[in-house]
Amino acid sequence: GENVEQHPSTLSVQEGDSAVIKCTYSDSASNYFPWYKQELGKRPQLIIDIRSNVGEKKDQRIAVTLNKTAKHFSLHITETQPEDSAVYFCASPRYNYTGANSKLTFGKGITLSVRP
Amino acid sequence: EAGVTQFPSHSVIEKGQTVTLRCDPISGHDNLYWYRRVMGKEIKFLLHFVKESKQDESGMPNNRFLAERTGGTYSTLKVQPAELEDSGVYFCASSPSGGTGEQYFGPGTRLTVT
Repeated sequence: GENVEQHPSTLSVQEGDSAVIKCTYSDSASNYFPWYKQELGKRPQLIIDIRSNVGEKKDQRIAVTLNKTAKHFSLHITETQPEDSAVYFCASPRYNYTGANSKLTFGKGITLSVRP
Repeated sequence: EAGVTQFPSHSVIEKGQTVTLRCDPISGHDNLYWYRRVMGKEIKFLLHFVKESKQDESGMPNNRFLAERTGGTYSTLKVQPAELEDSGVYFCASSPSGGTGEQYFGPGTRLTVT
């Protein structure tokens, strides 16, 4: 089955610095790659996603890059702020052409701490 | 638009007891998913409904877990009898058919079995 791994498991950065979280997956058929953010005590929320027909996507301070050959995708957060502190999960659909209606296989999550 | 809601938010029960969790998806979402996160570990898939039908139940741990979605609206997940290893946060998510792929999560139910 699909195996999704995240590195590192914890990350601490100084406010204003950049943070990069990497995720690897095993299913070469996967073509949808979301990142979810879960703040303490709150629900996981999608913050950015990418499909396999593009290599990079940006949304303000957040970007995701995809390397299909190496089967990894990374979350980049620039100019980090204390409110970026949360657990970040990468995920991949089990199989499905569009990813719209399939279950997600999640990584273990990474706890990002932004020091003021 | 109201988001996905779950009830209760917390539940503490003794080993051997029964607990029923409820999820109300976003109105009109045909797809409903149950996930579980045991402390410190990944969010693991349990079950996927499309309307009232079970599309995929490959993640259900054993026959102590029973999920239903009568009428294709809200869903319940019953654990009977509960065991210590069932403790964790149970998330429900929903998505529309033909959507972008985003799954909208509920706030979760924290289940503690003592």
